[in-house]
Amino acid sequence: GNSVTQMEGPVTLSEEAFLTINCTYTATGYPSLFWYVQYPGEGLQLLLKATKADDKGSNKGFEATYRKETTSFHLEKGSVQVSDSAVYFCALSDERGYQKVTFGIGTKLQVIP
Amino acid sequence: DTEVTQTPKHLVMGMTNKKSLKCEQHMGHRAMYWYKQKAKKPPELMFVYSYEKLSINESVPSRFSPECPNSSLLNLHLHALQPEDSALYLCASSPQRAADTQYFGPGTRLTVL
Repeated sequence: GNSVTQMEGPVTLSEEAFLTINCTYTATGYPSLFWYVQYPGEGLQLLLKATKADDKGSNKGFEATYRKETTSFHLEKGSVQVSDSAVYFCALSDERGYQKVTFGIGTKLQVIP
Repeated sequence: DTEVTQTPKHLVMGMTNKKSLKCEQHMGHRAMYWYKQKAKKPPELMFVYSYEKLSINESVPSRFSPECPNSSLLNLHLHALQPEDSALYLCASSPQRAADTQYFGPGTRLTVL
């Protein structure tokens, strides 16, 4: 079956530091890949997505590239802010799963001033 | 309007009570989802409705009963819950498929005494 592996947190960074959160996946075929973010006390919201190999998703300074050869979709940001503190979920959906999204365990990011 | 609304925000209920959670979206989405999220865990899929018909039930106990009265509304009826059912219940919608972006509501924080 499908699975998503992402680094366990928490990740603590100083403001303006570089962020990488690793995500690898196992799936058959060509899944769509997502990063969702959950701020404290809120539901999840889409941060970025990529639907085919070598696609780069980007939003709010965050980027992730769909790497089929390494089955990875690592999240990066060049300079984090305190307001980026949240839990980040890597996720995938494939055509055979049709209506199911498989989530990773989530990585908590804490950015300190 | 890209919002999914959920009511109530918080709910405390006894094990013999009957209550309902409500979810609404006006984006014309044809797929709607219920998830359960425990603290520090990813969302777990419970039910999927596609075009107002139940398409996925992830072996959820019968004390949870979903209902989709129309394409904009999704309810979750609760009866005889257990304390371990205490969690954040998230509703989401997507245009048609899980490969589409899912839009999440803020959730209902449920406590079962």
